Amino acid sequence: AQKVTQAQTEISVVEKEDVTLDCVYETRDTTYYLFWYKQPPSGELVFLIRRNSFDEQNEISGRYSWNFQKSTSSFNFTITASQVVDSAVYFCALSEIRTGNQFYFGTGTSLTVIP
Amino acid sequence: ETGVTQSPTHLIKTRGQQVTLRCSSQSGHNTVSWYQQALGQGPQFIFQYYREEENGRGNFPPRFSGLQFPNYSSELNVNALELDDSALYLCASSAGTSGRRETQYFGPGTRLLVL
Repeated sequence: AQKVTQAQTEISVVEKEDVTLDCVYETRDTTYYLFWYKQPPSGELVFLIRRNSFDEQNEISGRYSWNFQKSTSSFNFTITASQVVDSAVYFCALSEIRTGNQFYFGTGTSLTVIP
Repeated sequence: ETGVTQSPTHLIKTRGQQVTLRCSSQSGHNTVSWYQQALGQGPQFIFQYYREEENGRGNFPPRFSGLQFPNYSSELNVNALELDDSALYLCASSAGTSGRRETQYFGPGTRLLVL
C-alpha cells in the first residue's frame, strides 16, 4: 500500500494565483515525520519543511504555508501568489520511527506556473 | 558549508555491466542514504549508511551494494545492470542520530542510462 499519496499528478496555474498541493499519508506509528521537497528540472531535491507528528501547528514561510491535520492524515502545501520560479515537481515524504530510516515519497505533483 | 555532491552527473552503460556512483556528504553529516528515482516517479529508498555500516535497506536486490568511508563519503555499486536500472540516483546526507529522523539533504543526482 502506498504510504504517501499525492493525487494531483499535474497542476497548472496562472501567475499570482494561489495553489494547494495535497498530501495524504498512511502510518500506524504515533511518532513520525513529514517533509516537503521541491524538485526543479535540474533534478536536485530541495528541502522545504519538516514536521513531526506532535506538532500540528500550521506554518507559514513567506509565500509558502503548510496545513497539517492528523485527523485526516493530510499535510497540504499552499503557495500564495504563485510565480514562474515555483514551477517544479513537489514531493511529500514520510519517515516512521518503526520502519527504520527510509523516507517514503509520494509520486509527486508537477506544478506549472504560466506567466 | 559544502552541500552534497555526486559524481558522475551522467553515465551510459550497457546491460550486464557494473557501475559505481559516488557521493560526498554535506559537512558535519555522518549518514548517507541512496535513492533510485525512475522517470515520473518519486524516489525509492535503496539503503542507508551510518558510521560506515548499512543502517536500513529498501526492497532492492543484492546486486545493489554500497560503502561508506571514514570521511562519510559513500559509493553505490550496481552489478549486472538491467534496462530497468535506468534512473536518476540520488544521494542524501543527514546528521544521523539514533532514533531521530533528521532532515535529508539531497545531491544533484546521477542520471544512469542502461542500453
